[in-house]
Amino acid sequence: AQSVTQLGSHVSVSEGALVLLRCNYSSSVPPYLFWYVQYPNQGLQLLLKYTSAATLVKGINGFEAEFKKSETSFHLTKPSAHMSDAAEYFCAVTPGQGGKLIFGQGTELSVKP
Amino acid sequence: NAGVTQTPKFRVLKTGQSMTLLCAQDMNHEYMYWYRQDPGMGLRLIHYSVGEGTTAKGEVPDGYNVSRLKKQNFLLGLESAAPSQTSVYFCASGTQSGYYGYTFGSGTRLTVV
Repeated sequence: AQSVTQLGSHVSVSEGALVLLRCNYSSSVPPYLFWYVQYPNQGLQLLLKYTSAATLVKGINGFEAEFKKSETSFHLTKPSAHMSDAAEYFCAVTPGQGGKLIFGQGTELSVKP
Repeated sequence: NAGVTQTPKFRVLKTGQSMTLLCAQDMNHEYMYWYRQDPGMGLRLIHYSVGEGTTAKGEVPDGYNVSRLKKQNFLLGLESAAPSQTSVYFCASGTQSGYYGYTFGSGTRLTVV
């Protein structure tokens, strides 16, 4: 069975600072991995996805994530935080064919001026 | 616009009442999911479907039933609502492989009093 752990339920950074949101997964088969963003009172929007092609994945709004099989991690980064990045971020995993889509607990990102 | 539509957007129920949440997608997706979102707990999978006429239990299925009579629709039923079912409910759909990610509806905010 697959599972996802997001380290840190709340992360606070200053505007212009590096954003690092951590995600570790477990899966019995090569997984597909996703990062979603949720702005207040809205649904979930896909930021980026890993589907066994390039291990460094670029997404929307300047975010990127690196799949590291040896560390079972898929951390999300952005070089320079913007106030508009304040939101909740979710990491998710699926084994692909026929599998469930399982989410982590979420990390709320705050950006200070 | 193509996507996932959830109805209703808001609902207040009294304990013991029943209701059905409707999810409709027009992307010809095979897979559909129902999640509930509660503070600090991320998104938890209630039930999912891998095709018309099929349903399966997720992490928190108790107190809910689902049906997928048509490929484009996935219904979530609460037979006898309880205050513990107060939550925001999200529906999502995706292809069999998950390669393109999953599309989410805008959510249904349910309060059980």
